[in-house]
Parts: sequence; structure tokens; C-alpha cells
Amino acid sequence: LAKTTQPISMDSYEGQEVNITCSHNNIATNDYITWYQQFPSQGPRFIIQGYKTKVTNEVASLFIPADRKSSTLSLPRVSLSDTAVYYCLVGVSGSARQLTFGSGTQLTVLP
Amino acid sequence: EAGVAQSPRYKIIEKRQSVAFWCNPISGHATLYWYQQILGQGPKLLIQFQNNGVVDDSQLPKDRFSAERLKGVDSTLKIQPAKLEDSAVYLCASSQTRNTGELFFGEGSRLTVL
Repeated sequence: LAKTTQPISMDSYEGQEVNITCSHNNIATNDYITWYQQFPSQGPRFIIQGYKTKVTNEVASLFIPADRKSSTLSLPRVSLSDTAVYYCLVGVSGSARQLTFGSGTQLTVLP
Repeated sequence: EAGVAQSPRYKIIEKRQSVAFWCNPISGHATLYWYQQILGQGPKLLIQFQNNGVVDDSQLPKDRFSAERLKGVDSTLKIQPAKLEDSAVYLCASSQTRNTGELFFGEGSRLTVL
């Protein structure tokens, strides 16, 4: 299992772009990178998944450098409602072992 | 489309008692997961089902935890006897297939063991 390292917490202000970086130095060739968001008293919610380079959807972008040893989740123009815990997961698609959550990053968006 | 349904939302029991949690996944989702989330930590996978078969239960404490998905639809997770350290939120998730990282989670069942 590839271990992931994320900052414990981050603060930002409304309207700013937020970048959360995840380190996964021992990522395997077949591993995908997946990000989830979790609000208090709710289950995690899938945000985005990628393998290499850049992936973008209506919510976020995921940047993965060529060596794939890290990845960055980018949230454009955050609002107060983006305050949540963000989890980076690394593993093989289709394997339950992909679905191992770390402690996540607590993002607090300030007015 | 209805989401993943879980019940009860909250449960308080004494240690050594038993408890059961129920989950109904999104219609048509073949894969179902149970996670345990202790306060301040990320969710930990307990068991994964594919239809009515177990795919992975390597992290399930089988001396006290059991889970079933008899007809390949809804599922029950049971703890007997409960310990203080079982206090946590039990999350159920489902996905269309095994080969995806996109899981859909329910709101969870919060267990407090006194």
C-alpha cells in the first residue's frame, strides 16, 4: 500500500484558489490517485480521480507530475461551504486496498 | 436517485451489549463496503462485498464483528459484544462495480459504547 502524507490543516479565504498537496513517494505503477471530501456528520464524497498529468471536472482539478510521487488537488475560488476534510487515496483501481483513507487535510475557509 | 440509506443514525449501548446496523445501497450497485471512522481519523475499511460474496474482510475483527449481504442488496453489520473502543461512526458505501474509485457513502451510524 502506498502511504500518503498530507498537511493536517490549511486555512484560506473566500474567493481564493486552494491547492492541497499529497505526497506518495512509493506509488506503484498501477496505482490511481483519488480525492474525497468529507463534511461533519456526513460520509465522504468523491471529488476526482487521476493517473497522470491533469484531470479536471466541474468541482476541482488534479495535477500529477511525471514522477507521480505527489499530487495536488486544486479548488478554484473556494467558498465557506468548502470547509471540510479532504482525503488523498492511492491504490489500484478495483482493489479494496485503494480505499484506505489517511487522516486527511482540514481545510477552513474564512470570510 | 436515492442515495445510500443507513439506520439507525445514532445508537448508545453499554459495553458487552450487541448492536446491528443496516445499509441499503444505491439501486443496482454491486459492490458494498462497511467502514469504521473513529473521531479524528479517516475511515477504515472493514469489509467489502461483491453482490452477496465477501471480497475483503481482512480488517474486520471477526471475534466480535460480523456482516452479511444475503441477497446481494442490503447489508447488516453486527457487533457482539461491543467494547468501548468500538465507539465510532459506521459508514456504508456502494459502487457500481469493483473497478472504480468512486464510492457513494451514506451518512453513517454513530455508535457510542458506555
